[in-house]
Amino acid sequence: KAGVTQTPRYLIKTRGQQVTLSCSPISGHRSVSWYQQTPGQGLQFLFEYFSETQRNKGNFPGRFSGRQFSNSRSEMNVSTLELGDSALYLCASTRQDGYEQYFGPGTRLTVT
Amino acid sequence: AQTVTQSQPEMSVQEAETVTLSCTYDTSENNYYLFWYKQPPSRQMILVIRQEAYKQQNATENRFSVNFQKAAKSFSLKISDSQLGDTAMYFCAFMPLSGNTPLVFGKGTRLSVIA
Repeated sequence: KAGVTQTPRYLIKTRGQQVTLSCSPISGHRSVSWYQQTPGQGLQFLFEYFSETQRNKGNFPGRFSGRQFSNSRSEMNVSTLELGDSALYLCASTRQDGYEQYFGPGTRLTVT
Repeated sequence: AQTVTQSQPEMSVQEAETVTLSCTYDTSENNYYLFWYKQPPSRQMILVIRQEAYKQQNATENRFSVNFQKAAKSFSLKISDSQLGDTAMYFCAFMPLSGNTPLVFGKGTRLSVIA
């Protein structure tokens, strides 16, 4: 079974631009969670989607948004990029009846 | 709010030796899961071991075992016979079973295995 995939793997953007990251969960997994990982703050929860509905949201500004499609694929969008948004963005999927999260390789976003 | 604390930012161990990574957490929940995740350099985060709070027996997975002390809210990871491939960031994580709540991670411990 294929693992969680994330595209693109690397991205360089300029301040003020917007960016969209994509995540495809493991087949059959309906829950997708997003995390931001930085050296200073560690892993911080962004949001979780289940069956196309946002089920949980972390403490991030409204510039960070997401959505989930009927095939469980998820996207997150960051608008008006700031230097501090430079981070590794991780996506994880979970089985409906499970608690273990399976992580993708991440998207490394650099904002210049 | 739940918090997870990993008090050792960095550790090193000689190959074939044993090392223990510490983790404490703060919660008022009674039912929860605890996890240790491993993130090798520039590689994917993978689950190492999982412990259900209602189970008294400590979880083990090959060379990896935990010491779960529920009353003390402590959840340490022991790696036996350390291998070079164990070099990674290790994250302790907590998930309550009440409601749909996300994983809460510690800041991580960077482990270096030295030949």
